[in-house]
Amino acid sequence: SQTIHQWPATLVQPVGSPLSLECTVEGTSNPNLYWYRQAAGRGLQLLFYSVGIGQISSEVPQNLSASRPQDRQFILSSKKLLLSDSGFYLCAWKSLQMNTEAFFGQGTRLTVV
Amino acid sequence: RKEVEQDPGPFNVPEGATVAFNCTYSNSASQSFFWYRQDCRKEPKLLMSVYSSGNEDGRFTAQLNRASQYISLLIRDSKLSDSATYLCVVNRGDMRFGAGTRLTVKP
Repeated sequence: SQTIHQWPATLVQPVGSPLSLECTVEGTSNPNLYWYRQAAGRGLQLLFYSVGIGQISSEVPQNLSASRPQDRQFILSSKKLLLSDSGFYLCAWKSLQMNTEAFFGQGTRLTVV
Repeated sequence: RKEVEQDPGPFNVPEGATVAFNCTYSNSASQSFFWYRQDCRKEPKLLMSVYSSGNEDGRFTAQLNRASQYISLLIRDSKLSDSATYLCVVNRGDMRFGAGTRLTVKP
């Protein structure tokens, strides 16, 4: 069966520090991969999605970037965090078939202080 | 205009009530549609897919109107355990979520 791993679960980082969040998927190949951010009490904002290795579509670039170095690995990065980067970061995977659902990792709760 | 719009609520209903959520989307090229449920501080999980002909899963009924670009979710006989945030999702490869509608079912 397919599983998605996302870590860490919680993170407290100072303003100006770098960020690296990793997401890996097991049990499937060539998934679509997604990074979302959810501010407190708000909906999910699509940040990046990828349909293949090295292929990244950016929705809200700001000071965040994403990379997909391997088929089932998706990394969210920042060189310098802002206070406004605080939120709940969620990684998701989905098969290529349009009518299939997306499955989420357990999320990373990031607080920038 | 947001790609996916939902009434944020909150909806506060008594147990046993019927409640309906609506969602509109702006991109007519959207190809698949879903309702997700999110409990507090947890990741979203699929509630049900939405098909053009409408579909039902127990107390839950989903409808899609492509002409009006509108999705709905009906919950009958609400239970306390239905309290959550309900998110509509519109997909054309990019899985876009609405802001969610918060439901609280009270005894």
